[in-house]
Amino acid sequence: DGGITQSPKYLFRKEGQNVTLSCEQNLNHDAMYWYRQDPGQGLRLIYYSQIVNDFQKGDIAEGYSVSREKKESFPLTVTSAQKNPTAFYLCASSMRSRADTQYFGPGTRLTVL
Amino acid sequence: GQQVMQIPQYQHVQEGEDFTTYCNSSTTLSNIQWYKQRPGGHPVFLIQLVKSGEVKKQKRLTFQFGEAKKNSSLHITATQTTDVGTYFCAKAGTASKLTFGTGTRLQVTL
Repeated sequence: DGGITQSPKYLFRKEGQNVTLSCEQNLNHDAMYWYRQDPGQGLRLIYYSQIVNDFQKGDIAEGYSVSREKKESFPLTVTSAQKNPTAFYLCASSMRSRADTQYFGPGTRLTVL
Repeated sequence: GQQVMQIPQYQHVQEGEDFTTYCNSSTTLSNIQWYKQRPGGHPVFLIQLVKSGEVKKQKRLTFQFGEAKKNSSLHITATQTTDVGTYFCAKAGTASKLTFGTGTRLQVTL
């Protein structure tokens, strides 16, 4: 798990505001991912990126946006269009040569009031 | 993506009892991974199984991959309070994606 940082750990926002969650990794991994986890639920893929300047939608991309301008960074913006944004957001990364094993950051708990 | 079903959703055991969680897929899997998430924490990779019928052990944990590569199990012998958490299986998809199972939450009491 070390090598992937997410900040802040807890985040509070008012309804209608966009908010950007940070994810940084120093593992030299090519691929990065964003997941959403709701209480008692599994992980659902929001967006993923296999290489710099390229990313694809996951299963629940609506209301979210991402960028991948640097290999080590993959920020996620939760927009006001996301109808139920309160959740635990997890960032992960993986090597393309061992593409399937993912390493997770500590997560950000977002609460929209 | 196609879900991977896990059963049970929740299990409560007394310390020292065994525990098993099962992961089932309707399609043949290229591999299966297992992760553990402690309460309030993040998923941590445990193991990957690739071969049909494969069995791997990590101390008190035994992982199996079905002969048909459509199911997998994780068995914990003599549970301890440190085993508390949610165990997820995950199957590989296209383009480095993983599809996570629904998870089994394990509670262990003294």
